[in-house]
Amino acid sequence: EAGVTQFPSHSVIEKGQTVTLRCDPISGHDNLYWYRRVMGKEIKFLLHFVKESKQDESGMPNNRFLAERTGGTYSTLKVQPAELEDSGVYFCASSPRQQETQYFGPGTRLLVL
Amino acid sequence: GIQVEQSPPDLILQEGANSTLRCNFSDSVNNLQWFHQNPWGQLINLFYIPSGTKQNGRLSATTVATERYSLLYISSSQTTDSGVYFCAVSYGKLTFGQGTILTVHP
Repeated sequence: EAGVTQFPSHSVIEKGQTVTLRCDPISGHDNLYWYRRVMGKEIKFLLHFVKESKQDESGMPNNRFLAERTGGTYSTLKVQPAELEDSGVYFCASSPRQQETQYFGPGTRLLVL
Repeated sequence: GIQVEQSPPDLILQEGANSTLRCNFSDSVNNLQWFHQNPWGQLINLFYIPSGTKQNGRLSATTVATERYSLLYISSSQTTDSGVYFCAVSYGKLTFGQGTILTVHP
């Protein structure tokens, strides 16, 4: 069974540009989560999808971040325009049901210059 | 929100030594996971353990939900055990601790 995959693995962009991160969850997992770790800080929750619906987006830092999960399969997280403080590692996780193990992808390392 | 504290923040061991990592949390949870972040930054699931005790090889974990703590035991540590160990708890979304940085010297 394939694990959670994320693309790209690394992205280096300039301040003001747009970046789109993609996450493919484990097949059949309805729950998809985004987390991020900015430099020197702990890993923090961004948002949670159940199928294509946003269940909880309380962790989204501001309206420069837009997450979608059309069709309830893969998800994208767009940052527009990117700022320096957005640099960090963005993780995606999925689980079959909400109170079960969340399986994490390898992360996307974003550097905003 | 829920608070998660891990201790110790740093741990240095010689190969073959045993260690115990602790995770305290401030409220009732229905999910607790331990992760190992390897040198490539990947979060590897170690245990899903909202309560009770589990063992997997040299690693074991115990969660006492009523007292709001969990322990991760590493026995006969190896250099490949080095990395950051995270505890994360949830009543829904996961809240992570700040991690324990483990360094195992040969």
